[in-house]
Parts: sequence; C-alpha cells; structure tokens
Amino acid sequence: KAGVTQTPRYLIKTRGQQVTLSCSPISGHRSVSWYQQTPGQGLQFLFEYFSETQRNKGNFPGRFSGRQFSNSRSEMNVSTLELGDSALYLCASSPGQGALPQHFGDGTRLSIL
Amino acid sequence: GQNIDQPTEMTATEGAIVQINCTYQTSGFNGLFWYQQHAGEAPTFLSYNVLDGLEEKGRFSSFLSRSKGYSYLLLKELQMKDSASYLCAVRDLSSGGNKLTFGGGTRVLVKP
Repeated sequence: KAGVTQTPRYLIKTRGQQVTLSCSPISGHRSVSWYQQTPGQGLQFLFEYFSETQRNKGNFPGRFSGRQFSNSRSEMNVSTLELGDSALYLCASSPGQGALPQHFGDGTRLSIL
Repeated sequence: GQNIDQPTEMTATEGAIVQINCTYQTSGFNGLFWYQQHAGEAPTFLSYNVLDGLEEKGRFSSFLSRSKGYSYLLLKELQMKDSASYLCAVRDLSSGGNKLTFGGGTRVLVKP
C-alpha cells in the first residue's frame, strides 16, 4: 500500500509569490491534515479536511488556505509569501475524522528567498 | 489553549534505557501520541495512549497519567538507529477531529 505522497519535495520561491502544495493520502483514507514544521516553532497544525470540507483550522493567517477533492487528494496554497513561511510542510492522512493514528508524508521543503 | 513540554535533547549509550517525559495542559484531553522523526524524514507513529497506564510495544513503551497531565516514552536496549527526534502530541476533545498539538520534540543521541 503506497504511503502519503507529497509533491513537490523541494521548492524555492521569492517573497510575494504564491505556492501550491499537493498531498495524496493513503488509499482509502479520507481525512487529510496539514502541518508546518520549523526549527523555532516545531510542528504546528494548519488545517484538516474531510469529505471536501475544512473541519479544523489552526492559528495561521488567511494567506494559508487549502482544499480537498472528491478523491481525497488535498492541496494547500500560500499567497503573498513571506520569509517566515520557509518551512517543511507535512501532510498526514487517516481513515476518517477522529480515526487515528495519522500517517505522515515526507513533506515539501519550501524555501523563500 | 494547550501547552506541551518535553526536554530538548537527551544523550544515552547503546544498549541503555532512556525515558522521555512529556507534560501537557489541555482543556479537553482526548489522547496522547508519540512519533519518531529521523532527520529529513516524515514522523512515524510509535504509540497512542488515551487511558491511564502503560502500553508496551517491543522495545518501546509509553505511559500516561491523565490526572497529572504526564506521559513518558521509554526506549529500551537502545540502538544507534534510535537516534532521532521524539515528538509528543495531544489531541484535544474540542477539535472533534484529528487536530494534534505537538511539543517541541526531544532529540535523542545514541552513542556507541
């Protein structure tokens, strides 16, 4: 069974640009959560999607958004990139909302110049 | 809100035992998780505790005391490959879903 797949693995952008990251969950998993990991703040929850609806949201500005498609694949978008957005963005999937544990992908490392 | 504390770094010798403590404060506890993360890799699930007591899985055990807001992860018979960061995470009832709040992680260095 394939694990959680995130693309791209690495990305370099400049301030002010926008970026879209993709996550394909484990087959059959319907819940997808996104996290940001930085050396200073650790792993922080961004949002969770289930059945194409955002179910939970963390404390991030509106520049961070996401969506989920009918096949459970999810994308997250960050607009007007800032230097502080440089981080590892991790996606995790689980069979359903409230169903645990979550399984993580290898992440997308985003660098802002 | 939630507050989760764990030591930043620990060093131990191959073959020894290391205990990583995690304390938490949360308004509606609904489970505690331990994940292992090697540098440059994804976190991998180790254990889940929702009731008080000890859960054992091979060389790894996790303990929970809900009344004390305390958990520990015990790593026995340490191997070099156990050098990694260990993340404590709490699930909050109020979220109703899969929102996890993570501690800063404990970097464990295993020396020969």
